[in-house]
Amino acid sequence: DIQLTQSPSFLSASVGDRVTITCRASQGISNYLVWYQQQPGKAPKLLIYSASTLESGVPSRFSGSGSGTDFTLTISSLQPEDFATYYCQHIYNFPPTFGGGTKVEIK
Amino acid sequence: QIQLVQSGPEMKKPGASVRVSCRPLGYTFTNFGIGWLRQAPGRGLEWVGWISAYSGDTHYAPQFQGRVTLTTDPSTSTVNMELNNLKSDDTAVFYCARRLRAEPSATVYYFDHWGQGTLVTVSS
Repeated sequence: DIQLTQSPSFLSASVGDRVTITCRASQGISNYLVWYQQQPGKAPKLLIYSASTLESGVPSRFSGSGSGTDFTLTISSLQPEDFATYYCQHIYNFPPTFGGGTKVEIK
Repeated sequence: QIQLVQSGPEMKKPGASVRVSCRPLGYTFTNFGIGWLRQAPGRGLEWVGWISAYSGDTHYAPQFQGRVTLTTDPSTSTVNMELNNLKSDDTAVFYCARRLRAEPSATVYYFDHWGQGTLVTVSS
């Protein structure tokens, strides 16, 4: 199975900060990577698919990049509603797996 | 508006079975498959399996194979997940989610719309 390692697992930031989260795959997965946001007590929400394609309705301050084994999710200017946990998922082969999550908290 | 509506919380004893239902609304039921995911308290997401709402074909995660069964009921446009031989570490929120493929030839999916989650508690 492909392992996805997210870093950091926790970060503290302020409103307006630029935030970058990394997801590293244990083998090359081309651009078959997806990002989700999960707010406390809620279901995950799709943010980005195919590593860099923004899901409809997701604010443009979110962006994704990467290919192969290294991927990033960037929030250009953190907003209060962005404090949440972020997960990456690969869809390269069976079985799909998720990263361990990155929790973004208010500094 | 697309919604996936799940059944309510369940409390079960170890060794019992649980059935959780998921009713997608706002799109043609047979056009999209449904996946199921588990999230233990304070933990990350884990894929359980998925089912084609068109053909009924299923795929399960190896760690759940033999213990989970996904079915569809076309008459009610509902997808059901049955998990048998429950253990205490099955205590979790189970989500159903509509699956999408990144390209037409893809066989592995991501999820664009999620249910509200169903808490399954396993305790003696």
